Amino acid sequence: LAKTTQPISMDSYEGQEVNITCSHNNIATNDYITWYQQFPSQGPRFIIQGYKTKVTNEVASLFIPADRKSSTLSLPRVSLSDTAVYYCLVGPNAGNNRKLIWGLGTSLAVNP
Amino acid sequence: DTAVSQTPKYLVTQMGNDKSIKCEQNLGHDTMYWYKQDSKKFLKIMFSYNNKELIINETVPNRFSPKSPDKAHLNLHINSLELGDSAVYFCASSQFLGNYGYTFGSGTRLTVV
Repeated sequence: LAKTTQPISMDSYEGQEVNITCSHNNIATNDYITWYQQFPSQGPRFIIQGYKTKVTNEVASLFIPADRKSSTLSLPRVSLSDTAVYYCLVGPNAGNNRKLIWGLGTSLAVNP
Repeated sequence: DTAVSQTPKYLVTQMGNDKSIKCEQNLGHDTMYWYKQDSKKFLKIMFSYNNKELIINETVPNRFSPKSPDKAHLNLHINSLELGDSAVYFCASSQFLGNYGYTFGSGTRLTVV
């Protein structure tokens, strides 16, 4: 099973770039890396997904080194509204979800 | 338009009661799920439904039974509620089984007293 490790919490300030790293040492060949954001009293929201190198969308960038044993979610110029919990998931993008494990996530606090 | 909607948002009930939570998605997705988030914020998958067929059922007590009348609906029925069932229950959907681009509902906070 692809277990992930993330920092429990992070602090930042408005306008800064925030990088959240996730370790997944036993990632399998067919595993993808997916990040979600969860605000209080809401369901998680899909942010970005990648397999290798770099993926960028309008919200974030995902950096994955060649060995794929870790990944970094990068949030450019955060605002107060980016205060949330961020989850890193690793698993195959097909088949049943039995092996998909959600950790505690990283609680990001953006300060003014 | 809400993509994944679940009702009720809050549910307070006594031990031993039976309750249901309803979920509907208008995304045309093939697969729907139920997740449980406990007080420590762990998210755990409970059920997956693909084209009206139960695909997986994690170590969930048989007091919990998912019901899917059609591809757009997945309801959760809970019998003989226990204190430990108190949690937030999230419904979600994805294009196909195993696709991790979930769309989650806003959750149902269940409190058993």
